[in-house]
Amino acid sequence: DAGVIQSPRHEVTEMGQEVTLRCKPISGHDYLFWYRQTMMRGLELLIYFNNNVPIDDSGMPEDRFSAKMPNASFSTLKIQPSEPRDSAVYFCASSFQGSSTEAFFGQGTRLTVV
Amino acid sequence: GQSLEQPSEVTAVEGAIVQINCTYQTSGFYGLSWYQQHDGGAPTFLSYNALDGLEETGRFSSFLSRSDSYGYLLLQELQMKDSASYFCAVREGLNSGGYQKVTFGIGTKLQVIP
Repeated sequence: DAGVIQSPRHEVTEMGQEVTLRCKPISGHDYLFWYRQTMMRGLELLIYFNNNVPIDDSGMPEDRFSAKMPNASFSTLKIQPSEPRDSAVYFCASSFQGSSTEAFFGQGTRLTVV
Repeated sequence: GQSLEQPSEVTAVEGAIVQINCTYQTSGFYGLSWYQQHDGGAPTFLSYNALDGLEETGRFSSFLSRSDSYGYLLLQELQMKDSASYFCAVREGLNSGGYQKVTFGIGTKLQVIP
């Protein structure tokens, strides 16, 4: 398996624009996590899914943020409209509850909102 | 809710031993993980403790005391390449459904000097 795949790796957008981040988890994993990393707040859990169902979205900062997982191999995190304070690195991670305690991270998307 | 505390920065000499402590407050605790992240990279899994005691993996060891809500990562024979950020993370479950999430601390930036 190629691991968790995120796209794009870098995104620069203007304030007010819609941004969509994409994630392909490792095949067979039943958990998918979206994290945001900044210097000030570290790695924040935004939302996580189990078997494609959102379980806890209490970390999503505002209604401008939304996440979907239409199937087991794809998830999106959308920010609409984007603001400069959304600038961060966004990580997607997946894990398999049954036999592994490790969360596997993608390489992240570095988002810059100007 | 949950919180994790770990030192923000640690400096140690090449060849020495360093211990990074982590205290946590959480409900539904399953276990404590440690992750390493180099600048510009993704977090990668180092170790996981579900039970009290010491787990050793090569130069790295991790310890957990559930009664004290405390753990640490021990790095021996430090090498320059160990300079990175180290995160403790709790795996915790919700009260219903058996779902588990992984929440990270703010991270400890380790600098290894010659």
